[in-house]
Amino acid sequence: QSALTQPRSVSGSPGQSVTISCTGSSSDVGSYNYVSWHQQPPGKAPKLMIYDVSKRPSGVPDRFSGSKSGNTASLTISGLQPEDEADYYCCSYAGSYTWVFGGGTKLTVL
Amino acid sequence: QVQLVQSGSELKKPGASVKVSCKASGYTFTSNGVNWVRQAPGQGPEWMGWINTNTGIPTYAQGFTGRFVFSLDTSVSTAYLQISSLQSEDTAVYYCVRKYRNGYYMDVWGTGTTVTVSS
Repeated sequence: QSALTQPRSVSGSPGQSVTISCTGSSSDVGSYNYVSWHQQPPGKAPKLMIYDVSKRPSGVPDRFSGSKSGNTASLTISGLQPEDEADYYCCSYAGSYTWVFGGGTKLTVL
Repeated sequence: QVQLVQSGSELKKPGASVKVSCKASGYTFTSNGVNWVRQAPGQGPEWMGWINTNTGIPTYAQGFTGRFVFSLDTSVSTAYLQISSLQSEDTAVYYCVRKYRNGYYMDVWGTGTTVTVSS
């Protein structure tokens, strides 16, 4: 499987919204509504932020939302806060109990 | 609360082997599979495969067959990753990640284990 494609970096000012895209193929993102997003602050382990394209685990602010269209999933963070600065990775189920990650996007809060 | 606590950092010479442990707590270990994920320096995570903690059957991703072995000790709620014939390219942080029981996503990440391969 090839890694999912994400932009290397995005940025936004506090209070603004940013969207991170995650492009896969008809074998993964396009075939399953099982895309998740994970946040990794510098030097820390990743943390689940979104699962099943658009669902939020308990404790994740509703500023984080997810969507999908065709082979591309998206993570939107509204009302940006300084603590949102981190790397974000998408992950998709790819069938037969296999998964594939994206290359990651560095979010900078200006 | 649900936790996955991994063993400490390892420094190994090329050709050696390493065994990383991942101890689960806060849930029934055999109810959720365990994934292994590699993150090389400055890179995104790479899914290595997973092990069904109920059956003990592992599934390995392409590129992680042969030198990589997943195993379990359910008596102590611990999963293991063993890597043999270490190469410099194996230098990375290795994470165990719990698979959500009734879904197709990973929900809890381990603390991570840094493996450095250097002569």
